[in-house]
Amino acid sequence: KAGVTQTPRYLIKTRGQQVTLSCSPISGHRSVSWYQQTPGQGLQFLFEYFSETQRNKGNFPGRFSGRQFSNSRSEMNVSTLELGDSALYLCASSSIGLAADTQYFGPGTRLTVL
Amino acid sequence: AQSVTQPDIHITVSEGASLELRCNYSYGATPYLFWYVQSPGQGLQLLLKYFSGDTLVQGIKGFEAEFKRSQSSFNLRKPSVHWSDAAEYFCAVGGSNFGNEKLTFGTGTRLTIIP
Repeated sequence: KAGVTQTPRYLIKTRGQQVTLSCSPISGHRSVSWYQQTPGQGLQFLFEYFSETQRNKGNFPGRFSGRQFSNSRSEMNVSTLELGDSALYLCASSSIGLAADTQYFGPGTRLTVL
Repeated sequence: AQSVTQPDIHITVSEGASLELRCNYSYGATPYLFWYVQSPGQGLQLLLKYFSGDTLVQGIKGFEAEFKRSQSSFNLRKPSVHWSDAAEYFCAVGGSNFGNEKLTFGTGTRLTIIP
């Protein structure tokens, strides 16, 4: 079974631009979560989607948004990029998103904002 | 609110020596506890998880962890480390309420192995 895939793996953007990251979960998984990882703040939860609905959201500004498609693939969008948005963005999928489910992480997208 | 503390930012261990990484959690209900490992430039890989039952949990790569409710701890151990164990290790706690499914991670412990 293929793992979680994230595209692109690396991105360089400039301040003020917007960016869209993509995540394809493991086949059959319906829950997708997004995390931001930075050296200063560590791993922080962004949001979780299940069956095309955002079910849970972390403490991030409205510039961070996401969506999930009917095939469970998910995208996250960051508008009006700031230098502080430079981070590794990790996507994780699980079966139905219960806390007891194992979350499987993708390799991440490394975003650099100049 | 749930939280996780990993008090050791960096640990150096000789190859073949034993290892213990500390993790303390705070959670109001029954915690679901996880240990993940991250190699440079990679995503996170699950080592082991605890939900209920036996408080000593076995994981992959020879790792184990012990849940101690009285101490709010979930320490990770390995009897003999290998050079390939060098990585960053994250402890995480998950909610037990459907609809509040997120992991809260500790700040991580970087493990260095010396020959």
